[in-house]
Amino acid sequence: NAGVMQNPRHLVRRRGQEARLRCSPMKGHSHVYWYRQLPEEGLKFMVYLQKENIIDESGMPKERFSAEFPKEGPSILRIQQVVRGDSAAYFCASSPGTSGIGAGELFFGEGSRLTVL
Amino acid sequence: GQQVMQIPQYQHVQEGEDFTTYCNSSTTLSNIQWYKQRPGGHPVFLIQLVKSGEVKKQKRLTFQFGEAKKNSSLHITATQTTDVGTYFCAGATGTASKLTFGTGTRLQVTL
Repeated sequence: NAGVMQNPRHLVRRRGQEARLRCSPMKGHSHVYWYRQLPEEGLKFMVYLQKENIIDESGMPKERFSAEFPKEGPSILRIQQVVRGDSAAYFCASSPGTSGIGAGELFFGEGSRLTVL
Repeated sequence: GQQVMQIPQYQHVQEGEDFTTYCNSSTTLSNIQWYKQRPGGHPVFLIQLVKSGEVKKQKRLTFQFGEAKKNSSLHITATQTTDVGTYFCAGATGTASKLTFGTGTRLQVTL
């Protein structure tokens, strides 16, 4: 059973370009979470999605950032007009969403490390 | 919004010494989870606690959830170099809700 797959693992962009990060959850998981981690810092919640629905986007910056989890295909985190401050590791996690107690165990991907020049 | 703090930020121990990290939430939690992240790696789930006052053990690791469900601790007995990494607690405040991660405690173990 493949784990959470993220790609690309490393992405370099120049200021003003767009970054698209993809996440395929574990098989059978319908809940996806995106977290951002700056070097030597903790994980900051960005957005929580279920298939075709954004459940909680309270951690997403209001401009330039968007996320989707379509009926078919991976979840995508999109950052438009990137700035140097967007440089970070972006982790995706999935859960089956059936624990009934909070989020249940999260299974993390290996992350996408974005560098903005 | 909900805040989850951990202390200490960093601890350096010699192999064989014990280690404890403490986690405090600004709000009452429905459950708390613990994750370990090795340097350069991704967070890996260790355990989930749900009940007030719950204590769980995994070999040398002991996890505790406070009576008020606002704090938690992780204790490692006789640390080994394989314990190196950052330990995060993560709390949820309701069903099917996001996890808010703590600030993390980075553990360094030397021989």
